[in-house]
Amino acid sequence: QVQLVDSGGGVVQPGRSLRLSCAASGFIFSNYGIHWVRQAPGEGLGWVAGISSDGSNKYYVDSVKGRFTISRDNSKNTVYLQMNSLRAEDTALYYCARTFTSALGTRFDYWGQGTLVTISS
Amino acid sequence: DIQMTQSPSSLSASVGDRVTITCRASQTISSDLNWYHQKPGKAPKLLIYAASNLQSGVPSRFSGSGSGTDFTLTISSLQPEDFATYYCQQTYNNPSWTFGQGTKVEIK
Repeated sequence: QVQLVDSGGGVVQPGRSLRLSCAASGFIFSNYGIHWVRQAPGEGLGWVAGISSDGSNKYYVDSVKGRFTISRDNSKNTVYLQMNSLRAEDTALYYCARTFTSALGTRFDYWGQGTLVTISS
Repeated sequence: DIQMTQSPSSLSASVGDRVTITCRASQTISSDLNWYHQKPGKAPKLLIYAASNLQSGVPSRFSGSGSGTDFTLTISSLQPEDFATYYCQQTYNNPSWTFGQGTKVEIK
């Protein structure tokens, strides 16, 4: 069965770095884009970044451009989110999600369980 | 960026009620609109894609409609497991796929 496992979250000080991982199983990983979505405590969902199936296209929300880098290793069925220069406003539960694209459009059809990132001095 | 506005922000309903949630886009998004729900402590789950298509495994009491800027999610007969927060998401503005702010469905 399709499974996404998020990991790498933790408590770090402002300005420091963290790397999140999203390990996938149960499907042909190299056929699917993967995105990160975050949810601040008590808030709604916010799209953060995404990467195409072959890693050639990468996308970011404006607030993380230049600070976050998304990458993937298709030999390890894993997507990474390198987060640098972290700010208090990056505090959130981070989910990875698989994108399924068809003639009817794109949707996030499977999600990880989330990994919590807390930025605090 | 395309802004997605849901209404209401919250609602109280009873088991068996018909529930309707609205999502409005700040510009036309064709039918590139998905619906998810999220239960406390859990990841979001896809319910409807491309405005009106039921995701595999999702009960038929869920339905979606609309195109352009105005969309609706309907639950025909609310069940205890449906109490959750519901989000719309536009996938028209590839790849900045914004979500609505959410609608919390609570037990009356």
